Amino acid sequence: DAKTTQPTSMDCAEGRAANLPCNHSTISGNEYVYWYRQIHSQGPQYIIHGLKNNETNEMASLIITEDRKSSTLILPHATLRDTAVYYCIVRTSTGANSKLTFGKGITLSVRP
Amino acid sequence: SQTIHQWPATLVQPVGSPLSLECTVEGTSNPNLYWYRQAAGRGLQLLFYSVGIGQISSEVPQNLSASRPQDRQFILSSKKLLLSDSGFYLCAWSLHTSTDTQYFGPGTRLTVL
Repeated sequence: DAKTTQPTSMDCAEGRAANLPCNHSTISGNEYVYWYRQIHSQGPQYIIHGLKNNETNEMASLIITEDRKSSTLILPHATLRDTAVYYCIVRTSTGANSKLTFGKGITLSVRP
Repeated sequence: SQTIHQWPATLVQPVGSPLSLECTVEGTSNPNLYWYRQAAGRGLQLLFYSVGIGQISSEVPQNLSASRPQDRQFILSSKKLLLSDSGFYLCAWSLHTSTDTQYFGPGTRLTVL
């Protein structure tokens, strides 16, 4: 699976949009971009995933560039509860042995 | 809706003692099941996965074993714990679909002393 690069940390004011970038310049045509987050001492929480098109759900939006070499996760109105480590993962969905490889992620701190 | 449970939530065990961690999934049938370990300050490491009852695949050689006695039950075991087995153990499930998104349980924090 392709590797991803994320900044170490960022902060955001409560109520503002949080834009979390991710670079995946070696992504292949059949690899999806997944985002998870992990709040301290909890299991990772699935947020969203996409292949080519931008995606939106109740939690966030995922913007993937046309060349697919980078993406941005957008939390439209960040709250204090969104403080967590966010992981950008690229993987091929080929079945049960398609493991998730979590890097160090980006630590998002939402300030009051 | 589907839910995933893990217990115990925390566990402190002496070196050399046995281990049994349990994971159960509700609200779905024939899921793929996974065991991951997260060491302090590190990423997740896939330990085992299962596509059905009695079917276990191991990703890395280690002091641990896994079993799936029932469709929605996944157990992680050890006969003799090592200090290096300490960590945060996570169970996850997915459907047999083309994108098979994995959903994680709350985890078990294991400390081996």
